[in-house]
Amino acid sequence: GAGVSQSPSNKVTEKGKDVELRCDPISGHTALYWYRQSLGQGLEFLIYFQGNSAPDKSGLPSDRFSAERTGGSVSTLTIQRTQQEDSAVYLCASSFQLQGHLTGELFFGEGSRLTVL
Amino acid sequence: ILNVEQSPQSLHVQEGDSTNFTCSFPSSNFYALHWYRWETAKSPEALFVMTLNGDEKKKGRISATLNTKEGYSYLYIKGSQPEDSATYLCASPSGNTPLVFGKGTRLSVIA
Repeated sequence: GAGVSQSPSNKVTEKGKDVELRCDPISGHTALYWYRQSLGQGLEFLIYFQGNSAPDKSGLPSDRFSAERTGGSVSTLTIQRTQQEDSAVYLCASSFQLQGHLTGELFFGEGSRLTVL
Repeated sequence: ILNVEQSPQSLHVQEGDSTNFTCSFPSSNFYALHWYRWETAKSPEALFVMTLNGDEKKKGRISATLNTKEGYSYLYIKGSQPEDSATYLCASPSGNTPLVFGKGTRLSVIA
């Protein structure tokens, strides 16, 4: 497809389990972003990649969260030992240029809805 | 990280009404102001990216203005239609954070 693809679209897991969320950006887009929206909250920045490197990881909520991007394409967000407060919609976006957010639009996926029981 | 504020939080209008929302942001170290529309069960979609003070952009019945000196942007919808029902988000880059988003304005257009 031509857009940003995320999987799974829905994930229900038990507290303490690990989950992996995948993002496949638009082909050729160099920058990739992860955000999440918890119930009743705005979009919260998690991490972004310029190519395969993440300039700043301070947005990740805790050390249970990690993200990687390989080959300048697919990215995986991993949450270890999930907690109920991790329940949210996790959105991925990409942009054509490095730091494309300064001058151009982000293209979002439809999100992965995570529910931790 | 700068605060991006949006008002109102929610809005109900009748079909055919015109409406507008506000986004405010700190005016120092300004780079860009983004507007997105997020319909339920879909992905957020960019409406405008604005960078210049005084800029005005238009897409169909939707338009936006930007005042970087006083730190605000308005989004206008003329002749609202039910398909305009969505959450409208604004965002601006800040330091190491690519885009800081406001909490959005949820618009419901009643037929």
